[in-house]
Amino acid sequence: NAGVTQTPKFQVLKTGQSMTLQCAQDMNHNSMYWYRQDPGMGLRLIYYSASEGTTDKGEVPNGYNVSRLNKREFSLRLESAAPSQTSVYFCASSATGGYGYTFGSGTRLTVV
Amino acid sequence: KNEVEQSPQNLTAQEGEFITINCSYSVGISALHWLQQHPGGGIVSLFMLSSGKKKHGRLIATINIQEKHSSLHITASHPRDSAVYICAVRNTDKLIFGTGTRLQVFP
Repeated sequence: NAGVTQTPKFQVLKTGQSMTLQCAQDMNHNSMYWYRQDPGMGLRLIYYSASEGTTDKGEVPNGYNVSRLNKREFSLRLESAAPSQTSVYFCASSATGGYGYTFGSGTRLTVV
Repeated sequence: KNEVEQSPQNLTAQEGEFITINCSYSVGISALHWLQQHPGGGIVSLFMLSSGKKKHGRLIATINIQEKHSSLHITASHPRDSAVYICAVRNTDKLIFGTGTRLQVFP
């Protein structure tokens, strides 16, 4: 099925460990996004990529890096995980102009 | 003050009732999205609209650009409609999200 595939679905990290969340879309969308969702707050944008080869910071980029590997793939890296990064992370993609906004199924990350 | 405000935060209903969820925003937008998030986390886009009204099955979304307000209506609600409904506005390249309305529909 066409859509956005995110891995892993669950992850527990120790403080200071690193990890990469993977995201791939097969809808030929130009734009891709990483969000985090915390209790009582709306989804917040971490980083986004308007097209292959470009990335820009969102609202809460500190502690994260991203790579737009090609048009399909957009990864999110935590270099040194902190408990404040415990959250649910969503990848999304859209066509230019925001059409066809599609979300991945989410990654529940716990940092202990 | 949040740029996107939803009301109510929580809503309970009996099966068959007509449901209205409201969204107000304070920024300029090019479009507004309504999203649905079921327990277990998956987020699905229901509507994207920039003017007027859209209908899909039992769901109706309206927007009033002058008043910076949108509503999501569910007719003949059903327990399977139980979910969190999220309003998001498109501002430049990015979406700004409300905190969601948790709807529970009881049989």
